[in-house]
Amino acid sequence: SQTIHQWPATLVQPVGSPLSLECTVEGTSNPNLYWYRQAAGRGLQLLFYSVGIGQISSEVPQNLSASRPQDRQFILSSKKLLLSDSGFYLCAWSESRYGYTFGSGTRLTVV
Amino acid sequence: SQQGEEDPQALSIQEGENATMNCSYKTSINNLQWYRQNSGRGLVHLILIRSNEREKHSGRLRVTLDTSKKSSSLLITASRAADTASYFCATALPLHGSSNTGKLIFGQGTTLQVKP
Repeated sequence: SQTIHQWPATLVQPVGSPLSLECTVEGTSNPNLYWYRQAAGRGLQLLFYSVGIGQISSEVPQNLSASRPQDRQFILSSKKLLLSDSGFYLCAWSESRYGYTFGSGTRLTVV
Repeated sequence: SQQGEEDPQALSIQEGENATMNCSYKTSINNLQWYRQNSGRGLVHLILIRSNEREKHSGRLRVTLDTSKKSSSLLITASRAADTASYFCATALPLHGSSNTGKLIFGQGTTLQVKP
């Protein structure tokens, strides 16, 4: 079956610290992968997407970066977190046969 | 700017009543999807309607799509307290270099509260 793992569920990080959020997918091959961010009480903003290994597209300029070192692994990173990076981060994958599936999300609080 | 815009932003009804949420979008689409999000949780896919469809049903959910007006509506009939959540519409835009599914662009959502 197709599943998506996203961790951690909650993260509190100081300003200026690095960030690494990981997302892995099972049960599919060559999916499209996505990182979304949701500010409190708002909709989801697409941050990055990837159509293949090593292929990353950024949707909005920001303090974050993404990488896809393996077909089913998508990583969201930052070298130095800002207060404005706080939010709810969701990983998702899509594939023609299965549509879209979202992870359970990581709530990041930068203090 | 967001591809999808929804209204109302917030809706409060009594259990048993119907809830209607609307979504408008800007560009041509292949399909439009509705998702549900319980507070602080991930997204759950509710229903997908293709651009050549006008209406679709799934249990107590009814979705309409008017491509001429670039709008969609989600109707939840006989609402229950457990329907309390945020509801988002999303449209899929094609991705360059991929014949796979496109990228989902979400509206700001409607927060629904169903009072018991």
